[in-house]
Amino acid sequence: EADIYQTPRYLVIGTGKKITLECSQTMGHDKMYWYQQDPGMELHLIHYSYGVNSTEKGDLSSESTVSRIRTEHFPLTLESARPSHTSQYLCASSEMLAGTYEQYFGPGTRLTVT
Amino acid sequence: RKEVEQDPGPFNVPEGATVAFNCTYSNSASQSFFWYRQDCRKEPKLLMSVYSSGNEDGRFTAQLNRASQYISLLIRDSKLSDSATYLCVVTTDSWGKLQFGAGTQVVVTP
Repeated sequence: EADIYQTPRYLVIGTGKKITLECSQTMGHDKMYWYQQDPGMELHLIHYSYGVNSTEKGDLSSESTVSRIRTEHFPLTLESARPSHTSQYLCASSEMLAGTYEQYFGPGTRLTVT
Repeated sequence: RKEVEQDPGPFNVPEGATVAFNCTYSNSASQSFFWYRQDCRKEPKLLMSVYSSGNEDGRFTAQLNRASQYISLLIRDSKLSDSATYLCVVTTDSWGKLQFGAGTQVVVTP
């Protein structure tokens, strides 16, 4: 089992609030990722990090921001939540194994903005 | 055009039957290939990597066809617990970024 954790698991919040979604992994992986997934739809990469102090925007534009101050921690922040941010947010980390990368996913945070 | 395309299904399969489905990828420089499984409202989990020579893991067989740029997954002797969405995943760089397909839904019925 992968040791990657996300909190909160569910969040219902009003428009305009600032929120931070937490993601932590205890596997020492350098690479971490944030995905957004709407019900029944595909995953979209919104942020990734190759290591401490490295962050990049993903394929899907997002108003969220991320930071990577410690290897094990990769929080995602929305400064002002809007209903359009309602979605599931999945965090992942990866390691190279036998020349290829396997990503381990956290259980996700289901965000609802009212 | 999407980088990874899959038939969304659903593939309705009687228990014990065999089901197979493909996914196509657009980038000929793609390096690594995987099948992930995602249960409803859960996170994706790696099912198996796909190797050039094809590979088998129990009832699951994966094939790669680089010339035609597709990978396939075959499930033999389907179990009710195989009901899930199967995600085709491709890497195109050496940094571990994955490109996910939208998934193929498989429903195994008693």
